[in-house]
Amino acid sequence: EVQLVESGGGLVQPGGSLRLSCEASGFTFSNYWMHWVRQAPGKGLVWVSRINDDGSTWYADSVKGRFTISRDNAKNTVYLEMNSLRAEDTAVYFCARAYCTSCQNYFGPWGQGTLVTVSS
Amino acid sequence: DIQMTQSPSSVSASVGDRVTITCRASQGVSSWLAWYQQKPGKAPKFLIDGASSLQSGVPSKFNGSGSGTDFTLTISSLQPEDFATYYCQQANSLPLTFGGGTKVEIK
Repeated sequence: EVQLVESGGGLVQPGGSLRLSCEASGFTFSNYWMHWVRQAPGKGLVWVSRINDDGSTWYADSVKGRFTISRDNAKNTVYLEMNSLRAEDTAVYFCARAYCTSCQNYFGPWGQGTLVTVSS
Repeated sequence: DIQMTQSPSSVSASVGDRVTITCRASQGVSSWLAWYQQKPGKAPKFLIDGASSLQSGVPSKFNGSGSGTDFTLTISSLQPEDFATYYCQQANSLPLTFGGGTKVEIK
């Protein structure tokens, strides 16, 4: 069974940093692109970042230069390092696995999400 | 960026009704379109890819259609478990973008 378990969320002050983790199991992690998607309270879904199987990375403009996605295939884990956090980064952050290796821009299995709150 | 516009933003329906949700892309995405269902406090669930291909285990009362810029999701014979928020998402180009969501509520 595919499982994605996020951790690392919490309350952080504006300008602060946080690192989210997403541990995967039940599939060959190194073969899949991984994504982070966020959802502000009461709002819709917003794609944040993607890391390919070869380590290439992409970001939404709203987080470029502040967030860094990375992966450790030995630990089956994808990370999201978030710096210079702003109030508008407050959201539930979901990690999601690409649906399939030939259709990697669809979000297949999702984690349960981890809440990040940026507030003083 | 490709903007995805869903309508309506909410719809009230009764058990047994049929509901149609539309999704329009600001530029063509071919058939690179997905639909997701999200219930309160839960992660989204992947329903449809390629605009019309149902995921394994998704009941056939969900039907997706369209290509290019105009897409629809039809849910026939609504059941209590179908009341949720539905999102479309284009998978054609980065940044990946979602529609604003359609909340299907019980009348």
